[in-house]
Amino acid sequence: GESVGLHLPTLSVQEGDNSIINCAYSNSASDYFIWYKQESGKGPQFIIDIRSNMDKRQGQRVTVLLNKTVKHLSLQIAATQPGDSAVYFCAENLSLDSSYKLIFGSGTRLLVRP
Amino acid sequence: DVKVTQSSRYLVKRTGEKVFLECVQDMDHENMFWYRQDPGLGLRLIYFSYDVKMKEKGDIPEGYSVSREKKERFSLILESASTNQTSMYLCASSLGNSDNEQFFGPGTRLTVL
Repeated sequence: GESVGLHLPTLSVQEGDNSIINCAYSNSASDYFIWYKQESGKGPQFIIDIRSNMDKRQGQRVTVLLNKTVKHLSLQIAATQPGDSAVYFCAENLSLDSSYKLIFGSGTRLLVRP
Repeated sequence: DVKVTQSSRYLVKRTGEKVFLECVQDMDHENMFWYRQDPGLGLRLIYFSYDVKMKEKGDIPEGYSVSREKKERFSLILESASTNQTSMYLCASSLGNSDNEQFFGPGTRLTVL
């Protein structure tokens, strides 16, 4: 919501530039990862996901990279637009233990300068 | 499109009141979740349910209970609201069967005075 961005790391980019948002995940056995976007006053929305048998996945203007060696996930947004301004969360899941839970990162605020 | 709806966008209650937050999903999802979201603390799981009448505690269940009488509906109950339960509450659902993408509702901002 409108106060979710307080105390968050912030990335400020110029409109048209590429953005890279990083996330360190906690469990080396996690095998499914999601990026969510949360605009002010709204619930998180799915952007893109990736399974641990892949190291890269592309969507429309977005790419997720997974580095299992260092437990690092990144979201790349090409040609960033004002509508991309939001808080971005990564989430991890360990599906093999039948756990339905996602573990969320604390989020990064993306600000797009016109 | 999956739709997750929450009964209220904004709610103001008094300390000690019993509060019901309702969540409904329309895609026959097995799993449903309740989170609270606070500045600097991110999303914290309160309770979740993987089947009708089944529930499991999340990371911060104290002061809350839940009810899942029907597959599409998951209710969060604050038996006696306190000011530290002022927060944004988010409901989510996922299909299950190893498909764990969660779909979120718009959130309910609860203020307890």
